[in-house]
Amino acid sequence: GENVEQHPSTLSVQEGDSAVIKCTYSDSASNYFPWYKQELGKRPQLIIDIRSNVGEKKDQRIAVTLNKTAKHFSLHITETQPEDTAVYFCAASAGGSTLGRLYFGRGTQLTVWP
Amino acid sequence: NAGVTQTPKFQVLKTGQSMTLQCAQDMNHEYMSWYRQDPGMGLRLIHYSVGAGITDQGEVPNGYNVSRSTTEDFPLRLLSAAPSQTSVYFCASSYPGGDSPLHFGNGTRLTVT
Repeated sequence: GENVEQHPSTLSVQEGDSAVIKCTYSDSASNYFPWYKQELGKRPQLIIDIRSNVGEKKDQRIAVTLNKTAKHFSLHITETQPEDTAVYFCAASAGGSTLGRLYFGRGTQLTVWP
Repeated sequence: NAGVTQTPKFQVLKTGQSMTLQCAQDMNHEYMSWYRQDPGMGLRLIHYSVGAGITDQGEVPNGYNVSRSTTEDFPLRLLSAAPSQTSVYFCASSYPGGDSPLHFGNGTRLTVT
């Protein structure tokens, strides 16, 4: 099945700096790559997603890039703010016989210091 | 529109007890799933369903049962609780097809003593 690896596991930045989280996946049939943000004690919520026919997608301060050849995708947060502090999860959809299943990375704890 | 509703929010069980975690969604989503979240392990899929009457195992299915008699409901049953099942459990739903966002419930924090 799909294997998603996420790095780093923790990331601390100063307010206003940029943050980058990287993920790799193993199944070349995967075609959907969402990112979720989970604040302490809350449920994961979708912040941005990208499909395999697109290389980059932006939504205000966040962007995701996808390199299907290398099988990696990244989350970029610019002008970070304290409210960006959370755990971020990447995920990849399964292909083949398990189409539709999402496999998650282990998460990145992002801390933004004021 | 309530989205995905999970009950209870908290539960404490003794080893060997059984219980059912409830999950209901009102978005007419065909795809529903259960995840457990443990520190440093991310979200691991327990069971999932692509429609009423159809269920399948995820990555960590042992010790859990599911059924899907209606589109709206997807309960998770712990047959004989063990301390290793102490975790936070999330139910999630989406449209089918493999490229639709998952909508998560608020989670159930389960402690097994």
